[in-house]
Amino acid sequence: GQNIDQPTEMTATEGAIVQINCTYQTSGFNGLFWYQQHAGEAPTFLSYNVLDGLEEKGRFSSFLSRSKGYSYLLLKELQMKDSASYLCAVRDDKIIFGKGTRLHILP
Amino acid sequence: DTGVSQDPRHKITKRGQNVTFRCDPISEHNRLYWYRQTLGQGPEFLTYFQNEAQLEKSRLLSDRFSAERPKGSFSTLEIQRTEQGDSAMYLCASSSPPRASGGLVNTGELFFGEGSRLTVL
Repeated sequence: GQNIDQPTEMTATEGAIVQINCTYQTSGFNGLFWYQQHAGEAPTFLSYNVLDGLEEKGRFSSFLSRSKGYSYLLLKELQMKDSASYLCAVRDDKIIFGKGTRLHILP
Repeated sequence: DTGVSQDPRHKITKRGQNVTFRCDPISEHNRLYWYRQTLGQGPEFLTYFQNEAQLEKSRLLSDRFSAERPKGSFSTLEIQRTEQGDSAMYLCASSSPPRASGGLVNTGELFFGEGSRLTVL
């Protein structure tokens, strides 16, 4: 079967750092994506990992360990506009999504 | 505008009626996906196409759902005999194949349309 797990909700403070974890079990693997989705809007692409290690893009970084079926998204210097759902998605051939993590940012 | 477009954006229908949604992908993208999303959940995979070929349809999907991409460009998703449980946002997304050549990487990420919101009364 195929399964992608991530926490349902997280809360963090403006200016802090937060790490959102994702574990996956899929029949195949050809890359892992993180998407951001604000309420009422379509998901937008944040990051992509296909090899083990860390990919950094500004305030956002994403890490992948293929042997552990594990990824995390790290958000630094949190801003109020980062309040959104963060979706972990895995491609074996098709792309499937986890249920998303709703991140609340407190002032 | 060269993004993914979906039509209609909103549809209200009565239980038992048929509805059809249309998606126009980014023109150079050969892959097209349909997802369904309800409040507080991630996008649920429904089906996807490579050009005009339907590669997979979710086993969770009722036979009331059918999708086509007849010329490998736009796609339609039809729901027959709608039920209240079909109420959701229907998202379309397109992508090009992932590849890495000459130091350049195409991740093959999905580009989403704004979605078609279905309400079944």
